Amino acid sequence: GAGVSQSPRYKVAKRGQDVALRCDPISGHVSLFWYQQALGQGPEFLTYFQNEAQLDKSGLPSDRFFAERPEGSVSTLKIQRTQQEDSAVYLCASTLAEAGETQYFGPGTRLLVL
Amino acid sequence: RKEVEQDPGPFNVPEGATVAFNCTYSNSASQSFFWYRQDCRKEPKLLMSVYSSGNEDGRFTAQLNRASQYISLLIRDSKLSDSATYLCVVSLGFQKLVFGTGTRLLVSP
Repeated sequence: GAGVSQSPRYKVAKRGQDVALRCDPISGHVSLFWYQQALGQGPEFLTYFQNEAQLDKSGLPSDRFFAERPEGSVSTLKIQRTQQEDSAVYLCASTLAEAGETQYFGPGTRLLVL
Repeated sequence: RKEVEQDPGPFNVPEGATVAFNCTYSNSASQSFFWYRQDCRKEPKLLMSVYSSGNEDGRFTAQLNRASQYISLLIRDSKLSDSATYLCVVSLGFQKLVFGTGTRLLVSP
């Protein structure tokens, strides 16, 4: 079946520009996660949704980062006034149940801020 | 200090070799432990969960030592296709995953 999909796969933004990154989780998956992976580093947690509720946003690096999942399926990660340090791969993952399940990752969106 | 620490490598080994990776974690409240594999420019994929009793999946063996807060992965009879970055991962609850920086493995003919 279809896995987690993300779009766009690549995004080049000028510093100060707003960007929106989309994640389509596996159909029926309750939980959705966003991670940020800088070059040469492991992924770092940003935020977590259970259905439409954002239960943990402790990893969002600043108030320029905002995530939503209004209908409990597709999620959007928005970055306002992008900075060069925002350049990274943004990974989305989903799990079937609320807890303890394997997280399935999407291919990521590679963001480059110039 | 990072929550999960790994030697970044790279580990260069010939085909057929046995190679071991180690990782340490700082939070004693960590509840779940995993090894993920990440190929170049690809997403991480679960390789195996890690249990205190130790577990094996084919050529791969994982061990957890809760007292020392130490996790290991052993790969026997290395294949060219094993070349990748191996990420040590812990979960503080049942949702948030905490990743190490990864250990790069290069298996050569």
